[in-house]
Amino acid sequence: AQKVTQAQTEISVVEKEDVTLDCVYETRDTTYYLFWYKQPPSGELVFLIRRNSFDEQNEISGRYSWNFQKSTSSFNFTITASQVVDSAVYFCALSEAGSARQLTFGSGTQLTVLP
Amino acid sequence: GAGVSQTPSNKVTEKGKYVELRCDPISGHTALYWYRQSLGQGPEFLIYFQGTGAADDSGLPNDRFFAVRPEGSVSTLKIQRTERGDSAVYLCASSSSNPGTDTQYFGPGTRLTVL
Repeated sequence: AQKVTQAQTEISVVEKEDVTLDCVYETRDTTYYLFWYKQPPSGELVFLIRRNSFDEQNEISGRYSWNFQKSTSSFNFTITASQVVDSAVYFCALSEAGSARQLTFGSGTQLTVLP
Repeated sequence: GAGVSQTPSNKVTEKGKYVELRCDPISGHTALYWYRQSLGQGPEFLIYFQGTGAADDSGLPNDRFFAVRPEGSVSTLKIQRTERGDSAVYLCASSSSNPGTDTQYFGPGTRLTVL
């Protein structure tokens, strides 16, 4: 069975600090997909990134970067020079290729960026 | 273009009543998902539609929950004899069915409160 663990329940940083959100996953499939979603106070889940299991290249998008390491089953998310608008709950999720592609989510990390 | 829409945004009902929650997916998306999110948790999968048919309903908690998608577009999640434990945010997501581009995009959710 698939499982996603986000051990950090809450993180608080001061604006302009860098912060890394951890995500560890479990799956028996060799083909799978990993995602990060952002849920701001408004409640809507906003898609941030998707990686497939065959692509271990790290990715950078502006202040956001993602580190995918199959050897440790981790898909960590770093925000550089955090801003108050980054305050939200961040969810890591996994879907397996052989399934109906439903997402299995972690329990989320509440990030608070203080001015 | 328009995103996933859900109505109502909030629903308050009494224990034992019947409720319907509606989801209007992104135009052209053949895959539609329902999730349930309890306070402080990540979303949990309920049911997946491919076109008009429920391809996977393994996440529905019991037979009080039912969902339909008669024309392959709008979907309705139906809950009979509501219980206080059904209180949660019900999220709908849609995606294309093409592997590699089947990222799920979420609606704003319906917050259900059962008194």
